[in-house]
Amino acid sequence: SAVISQKPSRDICQRGTSLTIQCQVDSQVTMMFWYRQQPGQSLTLIATANQGSEATYESGFVIDKFPISRPNLTFSTLTVSNMSPEDSSIYLCSAGGGQTYGYTFGSGTRLTVV
Amino acid sequence: GENVEQHPSTLSVQEGDSAVIKCTYSDSASNYFPWYKQELGKRPQLIIDIRSNVGEKKDQRIAVTLNKTAKHFSLHITETQPEDSAVYFCAASIGGATNKLIFGTGTLLAVQP
Repeated sequence: SAVISQKPSRDICQRGTSLTIQCQVDSQVTMMFWYRQQPGQSLTLIATANQGSEATYESGFVIDKFPISRPNLTFSTLTVSNMSPEDSSIYLCSAGGGQTYGYTFGSGTRLTVV
Repeated sequence: GENVEQHPSTLSVQEGDSAVIKCTYSDSASNYFPWYKQELGKRPQLIIDIRSNVGEKKDQRIAVTLNKTAKHFSLHITETQPEDSAVYFCAASIGGATNKLIFGTGTLLAVQP
């Protein structure tokens, strides 16, 4: 399975600012995914990032708020823009979907907006 | 829209007993069903998965069964141990080119020593 390095692991940010989260995969993957997980809750898919094309966002998530980059087959970033306290959460990236391996996750970014 | 329901939300068992967690999905095109274990403060870890062309898969003490007709799949853990205590999530792939995963609501499993 792919191994994903995610950073930062945590951050405390001022409202109105932006934070960019990075994920690096140790092998080439077609799809990468970004999730949000509130404490004690399940994972909610934010968007799907395919290399070379614009990300596809789920209902309730928009590109202006969560711009995503996918410059190559091993890397992706998620930016949380113009943050408010409601954006405080854990953000996780994931990669996989091939026939021979499952989906793995990065270690997560714990974001607190004050 | 597509969704995955998971039951129970909490499950407490005695060490050595079996635990069963059940999920149902809505998208008939779903063809991949993984299970994840998430310990407190850690990332979800894939523990077992099953594809739609198989009805059952086993890996040591854990097994997954799939009933495509009923759109049900279940996780079975036998001979539970305290280290099995965690939150377990089921997921189902949503059909189409992206094969994104939709997750169930999670089950908090507590194994009492």
